[in-house]
Amino acid sequence: KNQVEQSPQSLIILEGKNCTLQCNYTVSPFSNLRWYKQDTGRGPVSLTIMTFSENTKSNGRYTATLDADTKQSSLHITASQLSDSASYICVVSEGAGGSARQLTFGSGTQLTVLP
Amino acid sequence: DAGVIQSPRHEVTEMGQEVTLRCKPISGHNSLFWYRQTMMRGLELLIYFNNNVPIDDSGMPEDRFSAKMPNASFSTLKIQPSEPRDSAVYFCASSPLAGGRNEQFFGPGTRLTVL
Repeated sequence: KNQVEQSPQSLIILEGKNCTLQCNYTVSPFSNLRWYKQDTGRGPVSLTIMTFSENTKSNGRYTATLDADTKQSSLHITASQLSDSASYICVVSEGAGGSARQLTFGSGTQLTVLP
Repeated sequence: DAGVIQSPRHEVTEMGQEVTLRCKPISGHNSLFWYRQTMMRGLELLIYFNNNVPIDDSGMPEDRFSAKMPNASFSTLKIQPSEPRDSAVYFCASSPLAGGRNEQFFGPGTRLTVL
């Protein structure tokens, strides 16, 4: 069964500090991996998307890495801001086919940035 | 573009009542998705459409749930009769291309409370 596991479940950091969120998956065959940011009361918004051949991708202060061999991804947030407080969801797409059913969602990491 | 539009944003109803959630996808997008999000189960794909045609409704929990997409700019998710365990946030998302490997754009969600 395809699974996506995220850690930690929740994280509290001080403004200005860096942090790293983890995503491990068992989805096979692999197509792509996305990180979404979900603010409280809003829908998820895509931060990065990586395919098999990409091992790092940045979006401003967000940098995602992917190790397709170990089936691990991380999302690094640099110089955190209060607005980074949100849930971060890892989503992995199963490869080759075109079905949306092949998306597997992680349960998310709840990040709180304190002043 | 205004993004994916959902209405209502909040719905409180009593058990047994019919509930209709509405979604307007981003203009030009060919795929539309309905998700449910709860604390316990995270994001779950209920059903998705390609070019207004339902492709996969295996995530629809029961016969009480039904979804329609009469045209490219409108979709509904109906629950009849509603039950307290249906309480969740329901998201609609759209994508410019069919399949699960393409980026999805989420609406703000409808928070449903069934008393």
